[in-house]
Amino acid sequence: SQQGEEDPQALSIQEGENATMNCSYKTSINNLQWYRQNSGRGLVHLILIRSNEREKHSGRLRVTLDTSKKSSSLLITASRAADTASYFCATDGGSNYKLTFGKGTLLTVNP
Amino acid sequence: DVKVTQSSRYLVKRTGEKVFLECVQDMDHENMFWYRQDPGLGLRLIYFSYDVKMKEKGDIPEGYSVSREKKERFSLILESASTNQTSMYLCASSSQGRHTGELFFGEGSRLTVL
Repeated sequence: SQQGEEDPQALSIQEGENATMNCSYKTSINNLQWYRQNSGRGLVHLILIRSNEREKHSGRLRVTLDTSKKSSSLLITASRAADTASYFCATDGGSNYKLTFGKGTLLTVNP
Repeated sequence: DVKVTQSSRYLVKRTGEKVFLECVQDMDHENMFWYRQDPGLGLRLIYFSYDVKMKEKGDIPEGYSVSREKKERFSLILESASTNQTSMYLCASSSQGRHTGELFFGEGSRLTVL
């Protein structure tokens, strides 16, 4: 079952612009995570936000979480061509072990 | 540097063959996972293990089995490969905690079944 769904499916921007990706989910969570995947490679963890947190920052990344709306957003500021990748949100659905991933947003940053 | 290593990046097998995908992690993690990734479907969990010799079915276990004889190694087995099992397979691990934490992924194994 797909817990998280990212929006948009694809996003194309110019270098220096900000990129915003959204994630909606269906059930209660303990935490929500964002991952990045370069083409043909494994996923890399970016940031984890707990259900009692509303906002979290890591470098150029800003994540927000609204548990009342069951949604999260990932903002990448001052994007670079190297940010080109697919971005996935993942939720635990209240489970202690497994994460369920969305289908991802493909971000293209044009130089 | 922490690492999850998948034994093969690319494999080509014939229908009906038995296929082993191996995954080793060096972080002493309790939890290990196998996902498959397909265009338009995202990542789907096949099996996971939270301890040696323990295994739990994920969302799509049919046609797969797993083995965890040692803490660091988690194997995915396709008993009789079929063309619809052509996919990217991703192994991941995480440490056991109160809630599901960060997953560390391998580079993936791209399997083609002819």
